[in-house]
Amino acid sequence: DAGVIQSPRHEVTEMGQEVTLRCKPISGHDYLFWYRQTMMRGLELLIYFNNNVPIDDSGMPEDRFSAKMPNASFSTLKIQPSEPRDSAVYFCASSLAGGVVEKLFFGSGTQLSVL
Amino acid sequence: GQNIDQPTEMTATEGAIVQINCTYQTSGFNGLFWYQQHAGEAPTFLSYNVLDGLEEKGRFSSFLSRSKGYSYLLLKELQMKDSASYLCAVNTNAGKSTFGDGTTLTVKP
Repeated sequence: DAGVIQSPRHEVTEMGQEVTLRCKPISGHDYLFWYRQTMMRGLELLIYFNNNVPIDDSGMPEDRFSAKMPNASFSTLKIQPSEPRDSAVYFCASSLAGGVVEKLFFGSGTQLSVL
Repeated sequence: GQNIDQPTEMTATEGAIVQINCTYQTSGFNGLFWYQQHAGEAPTFLSYNVLDGLEEKGRFSSFLSRSKGYSYLLLKELQMKDSASYLCAVNTNAGKSTFGDGTTLTVKP
């Protein structure tokens, strides 16, 4: 299995631009999570899906952030408009519910820099 | 909400043993996980505890006391490659994990 795949690995954009981050979870996993990691705030859960349905988006910082999961093999996290304080590493992770251990498998992350 | 505390930094010597503590306050506890994260990389799963007691997995062991809201990760026979950040994560509702800020471990020769 290729693991969780995220794209792009790096994104540099200017303030005000739209940013779209992409994620392909591990095949067969039914939970998908978006996390953001910064030095100041650590690893924060933004939103998670179960069977493509958003379950908890309470971690989404504000209306500029949105996430979708149109099917079991693809999810996007969009920021519009982007701001310098959005600069962080964004991780996508997936897991399989009902397993003995509901551990998370993380993608390699997207390093976002908003200038 | 959840409150998860772990030390910010620790230093240990190659070949030694180090214990990284984690305390938490939460409702609906469903398990405690430890992840390792090397600089510039994604977190990877190390160990987990659902019931009280010690779980051993090679050089790594993890302990849990649910009544005390306490866990630790024990690393034995430290190697230079063990220098990394170690994240404690509490799982509450099915599939949702909340992370502590991580403990940066530096292993010195």
